[in-house]
Amino acid sequence: GAVVSQHPSWVICKSGTSVKIECRSLDFQATTMFWYRQFPKQSLMLMATSNEGSKATYEQGVEKDKFLINHASLTLSTLTVTSAHPEDSSFYICSARDLIGLGEQYFGPGTRLTVT
Amino acid sequence: KQEVTQIPAALSVPEGENLVLNCSFTDSAIYNLQWFRQDPGKGLTSLLLIQSSQREQTSGRLNASLDKSSGRSTLYIAASQPGDSATYLCAVRAANFGNEKLTFGTGTRLTIIP
Repeated sequence: GAVVSQHPSWVICKSGTSVKIECRSLDFQATTMFWYRQFPKQSLMLMATSNEGSKATYEQGVEKDKFLINHASLTLSTLTVTSAHPEDSSFYICSARDLIGLGEQYFGPGTRLTVT
Repeated sequence: KQEVTQIPAALSVPEGENLVLNCSFTDSAIYNLQWFRQDPGKGLTSLLLIQSSQREQTSGRLNASLDKSSGRSTLYIAASQPGDSATYLCAVRAANFGNEKLTFGTGTRLTIIP
């Protein structure tokens, strides 16, 4: 099946710093990628939808200036958490939709962010 | 607004038993429905995808059904194994053009007892 990778798998940073998370579709092209956030024992919460070459669409309540998303190519999207705070600590998961086929979504392994 | 519910929230069954997980959704205008599994601290693994025109999909010991008109889907797992222990999530994609989002259910945490 299709593979989506994320890097890093975990990161610890200090308050006030910025962290970049990469999401890559390894063996398929994705015009649309999604970024989710997941709190312990809860389901996934969609943060934003990114389309290659255009601005991301953010869900209500998600600060676009804090969570910067760039979808520079058909295989790479990045999420930058700017001026991180402890409350940004969470599990971030990206997803990519295959350009062709049935529109199945494939998910990355997630990135555990801890802000101290 | 689409709402997706999964019942039960948690389930424990002895190894070898067959089991059914349930998913219901409020808006029947869906494009497709996907079942995923998530292991603790991991991402999601896609199990089965059912298009709105289909009634079921099978993969190995897994069978997913879809009754779009009643807003229900079930995931049947045959001959359960301890390795099946995970959280199972269903998600629906809206049918309206331009709506790319998946709406996730609350998940069922499955434990298979050896």
